Amino acid sequence: GAVVSQHPSRVICKSGTSVKIECRSLDFQATTMFWYRQFPKQSLMLMATSNEGSKATYEQGVEKDKFLINHASLTLSTLTVTSAHPEDSSFYICSARAGQGSASPLHFGNGTRLTVT
Amino acid sequence: AQSVTQLDSQVPVFEEAPVELRCNYSSSVSVYLFWYVQYPNQGLQLLLKYLSGSTLVKGINGFEAEFNKSQTSFHLRKPSVHISDTAEYFCAVSDRDNFNKFYFGSGTKLNVKP
Repeated sequence: GAVVSQHPSRVICKSGTSVKIECRSLDFQATTMFWYRQFPKQSLMLMATSNEGSKATYEQGVEKDKFLINHASLTLSTLTVTSAHPEDSSFYICSARAGQGSASPLHFGNGTRLTVT
Repeated sequence: AQSVTQLDSQVPVFEEAPVELRCNYSSSVSVYLFWYVQYPNQGLQLLLKYLSGSTLVKGINGFEAEFNKSQTSFHLRKPSVHISDTAEYFCAVSDRDNFNKFYFGSGTKLNVKP
């Protein structure tokens, strides 16, 4: 149980275009989802917390106009990288908690490798 | 805020040898503890978790970890590693009082050699 599906797994786009990444909780409802960015050989950096039915909460230094997050339902959150540039190339991972309390672990999608040319 | 320290960025070990990956955190008050594994180009998979009770917790793939409150540590161990254990391992702490706070260590790359 507690499966998080992320799509696409890889995407290559040209500079200036936008890319949408989907994150779905397949067998549970998630009022909150988390979006991380991971640089090579580094840990995960929390970008934003996605809240169903309301605005996302962005971490300091993350441009909310560049990384648009929409959490339209209890099982789907999307991250759109707008006007992508080569420096946006990275590994993006979403996650969610299946339970309601802090004891419930995060469950992760398989990540999206974004390459901006 | 919590901080999670993984002292070793890389740990080379021969196949069938034991291994310990170290993790320390800033405070043992009001936290839950987790270990995750990440294979190349994949998301993170939960290995094990400590919520309460016995300080020795067993996880998947033969891994175990011990919670030590006095030393604020949660080291991961495996008595005999396999080539397939080669991956990145992350220690994580969840703030008991804040559902949205989940802190990760910098990761330890375990490299199992034949």
